[in-house]
Amino acid sequence: DAKTTQPPSMDCAEGRAANLPCNHSTISGNEYVYWYRQIHSQGPQYIIHGLKNNETNEMASLIITEDRKSSTLILPHATLRDTAVYYCIVRGPLASGGSYIPTFGRGTSLIVHP
Amino acid sequence: GAGVSQSPSNKVTEKGKDVELRCDPISGHTALYWYRQSLGQGLEFLIYFQGNSAPDKSGLPSDRFSAERTGGSVSTLTIQRTQQEDSAVYLCASSLNRGDSEQYFGPGTRLTVT
Repeated sequence: DAKTTQPPSMDCAEGRAANLPCNHSTISGNEYVYWYRQIHSQGPQYIIHGLKNNETNEMASLIITEDRKSSTLILPHATLRDTAVYYCIVRGPLASGGSYIPTFGRGTSLIVHP
Repeated sequence: GAGVSQSPSNKVTEKGKDVELRCDPISGHTALYWYRQSLGQGLEFLIYFQGNSAPDKSGLPSDRFSAERTGGSVSTLTIQRTQQEDSAVYLCASSLNRGDSEQYFGPGTRLTVT
């Protein structure tokens, strides 16, 4: 599975959009981009994933560049409860040799301040 | 519906004692993972189950660690002769099938070895 690079920390004002970048320049055509977050003292929580097209759900939006070498997770109206570590992971389907073990790196520590 | 549950939520044990940690995955999820997370660190993969079998035990740090899964559901992680370096949060996750779909994590068990 491709490696990812994320900034170690970011901050955002409450009510503003939080845009978390992720670089995955070695991503291959059938690998998906997954995002998870981990709020302090809790287990990681799945947020969203995508392959090529932009995705949106009730938690966030995922914007994937046309060349798929990077993506941005957008929290449109950040709240204090969105303070967490955000992990970007790239995984391929098992059938094509992708790993069933997602590799969680250090992620981005997002602090939302009043 | 019910999420992944883990018990106990906290465990304090003396060095040299054995401990058992339990994970109840989401009903119908065939894949189950164990990770551990030391303070301020990322997630360290321990073991993966597909149904009752464990195709990958490569992450178990020593032969003091073992895990089993019965009936394709509940899993138990056992640590024998605990050491202080075993202190960590032990996280369990499950996913719907074959391990290549999104994972849902439990709240973790915080193990402290004194």
